[in-house]
Amino acid sequence: DVKVTQSSRYLVKRTGEKVFLECVQDMDHENMFWYRQDPGLGLRLIYFSYDVKMKEKGDIPEGYSVSREKKERFSLILESASTNQTSMYLCASSPSWATNEKLFFGSGTQLSVL
Amino acid sequence: RKEVEQDPGPFNVPEGATVAFNCTYSNSASQSFFWYRQDCRKEPKLLMSVYSSGNEDGRFTAQLNRASQYISLLIRDSKLSDSATYLCVVNENRDDKIIFGKGTRLHILP
Repeated sequence: DVKVTQSSRYLVKRTGEKVFLECVQDMDHENMFWYRQDPGLGLRLIYFSYDVKMKEKGDIPEGYSVSREKKERFSLILESASTNQTSMYLCASSPSWATNEKLFFGSGTQLSVL
Repeated sequence: RKEVEQDPGPFNVPEGATVAFNCTYSNSASQSFFWYRQDCRKEPKLLMSVYSSGNEDGRFTAQLNRASQYISLLIRDSKLSDSATYLCVVNENRDDKIIFGKGTRLHILP
């Protein structure tokens, strides 16, 4: 089974802190994604990556950056956390563009920014 | 018009009943369609793909109506374990953009 692992299940940070959310997949998938999920707003794409060192903005990239130095790892960075970034963050991966709809999600990180 | 729309529910359905819900999409060029299931405080997981000819997997049937631009999910003989949020996912034929609906909440009542 594909395993997508997110480093933290719950995280509490203070406004202005730099926050790193880590995601690792073990199936050699090409594509990796970061979403946030908020009540009433559904899943919104922040950033995605097709390959190592490649990144593309999603629908809501403002306030975030990403890093993909290795194929298996995709990191989401909040340069200066703000309270409106309190959310559930979900990482996902998929094998290739031919099957990119078959997303495999990590178990999520519930981030609270105080 | 929103890109992918779902009735948020909740649908409260007695155990054993049949329940169906739809998802409409705005881009007529959309190519592929999926249903994901998300349990409370868990990640979404792929339930089934939706093919033009429709497809069935046990108690679950998915249909695509291109003319009216909607997909449907039918659950027969519903079980308590079917309680979840069901997310409609559409792959628009624009830069392989994947659009998630906001989900339909289903509660199966004992």
